[in-house]
Amino acid sequence: GQNIDQPTEMTATEGAIVQINCTYQTSGFNGLFWYQQHAGEAPTFLSYNVLDGLEEKGRFSSFLSRSKGYSYLLLKELQMKDSASYLCAVRPYYNRRGQNFVFGPGTRLSVLP
Amino acid sequence: DTGVSQDPRHKITKRGQNVTFRCDPISEHNRLYWYRQTLGQGPEFLTYFQNEAQLEKSRLLSDRFSAERPKGSFSTLEIQRTEQGDSAMYLCASSYGTGHQPQHFGDGTRLSIL
Repeated sequence: GQNIDQPTEMTATEGAIVQINCTYQTSGFNGLFWYQQHAGEAPTFLSYNVLDGLEEKGRFSSFLSRSKGYSYLLLKELQMKDSASYLCAVRPYYNRRGQNFVFGPGTRLSVLP
Repeated sequence: DTGVSQDPRHKITKRGQNVTFRCDPISEHNRLYWYRQTLGQGPEFLTYFQNEAQLEKSRLLSDRFSAERPKGSFSTLEIQRTEQGDSAMYLCASSYGTGHQPQHFGDGTRLSIL
């Protein structure tokens, strides 16, 4: 089976740092993606991890530990516009048939002034 | 690159009616996906095309749902005899080629069943 867990909601203050965790149990693993989704809008791609370690991209970093089935997204210097849902998605397979992502429920982040 | 576009943005219909949604992927993308998203949840995979071939279909997709991608470009998703439980946002995404490419999503079609 496929199971991905994320906290439902988080709150942080403008300028702060926040870490959003994601744990997964999937029948295979071929990459983990983080997406940002503002209310009523499309999910937009933030980051991708397939090997263990930290990937940094500006104010956003993502970490992966495959042995622990664990990832986190780190957002630094929070801005009001970062208020959104953050979706963790795992691609269980990489073959001609299995290309779909399995998404977690998303974490709704509220950034307060 | 104009992104993934979906039409219509909103659809309101009565229970029992048929509806059809269209997705135009990013032009050079050969892979196209349909997802369904309900409030407060992440997207759920429905089906996937590589070019015109439908290669994977979720068990969630009942026989009332059908998707096509006739020429390997745009795709349509049809729901027949709609039910209340079909109310959701229907998202289309596309990606390109081999390797670990992200999927790019459209803004979705919000379906409301009266």
